[in-house]
Amino acid sequence: NAGVMQNPRHLVRRRGQEARLRCSPMKGHSHVYWYRQLPEEGLKFMVYLQKENIIDESGMPKERFSAEFPKEGPSILRIQQVVRGDSAAYFCASSPRQGASGYTFGSGTRLTVV
Amino acid sequence: GESVGLHLPTLSVQEGDNSIINCAYSNSASDYFIWYKQESGKGPQFIIDIRSNMDKRQGQRVTVLLNKTVKHLSLQIAATQPGDSAVYFCAETGQAGTALIFGKGTTLSVSS
Repeated sequence: NAGVMQNPRHLVRRRGQEARLRCSPMKGHSHVYWYRQLPEEGLKFMVYLQKENIIDESGMPKERFSAEFPKEGPSILRIQQVVRGDSAAYFCASSPRQGASGYTFGSGTRLTVV
Repeated sequence: GESVGLHLPTLSVQEGDNSIINCAYSNSASDYFIWYKQESGKGPQFIIDIRSNMDKRQGQRVTVLLNKTVKHLSLQIAATQPGDSAVYFCAETGQAGTALIFGKGTTLSVSS
């Protein structure tokens, strides 16, 4: 039973490029959450999605960031026109129901903007 | 603002000792708390959780204590092992119950 799968594990982008981060939830999980972690910091909530719906995007910057969780396929976190401040580890978690209990985190994507 | 913080950024113990990691939270409306362990290059791993209607919960070698009066949470690890070396985060739910609010973390170092 595979856990939450995130890819790529490491991503390097030049300033101004686009970054696409993918998250496949655990089998049977229909709720996906994205978090960002800066060095030496705790994780910060970004967005919560169910299949085809964004439920809570209160932690996601209004510009350049978007997220989707289509009916088929993984959830995608997209960052347009990346800047150096976007460099961080991005973690995805999934759960079988709404709420923080039952969260399982993936191993993250480490984005470096050069 | 509402945040969860940890008292000490680092904690060093000897193998076999008991470890206590502390956390103070500020949102008295939070009703669910979780401790996570994060090893280098990995995602957070669930350790133990507790709801606000409890003040203590035990797992295998770990105990979480919740003191709602002073808004304090602690994680006790018995007979600490080198494999316990990691960064430990406490987290709480906001009122929506979906987004976790994380503290900054305590780095636990266990020496043999």
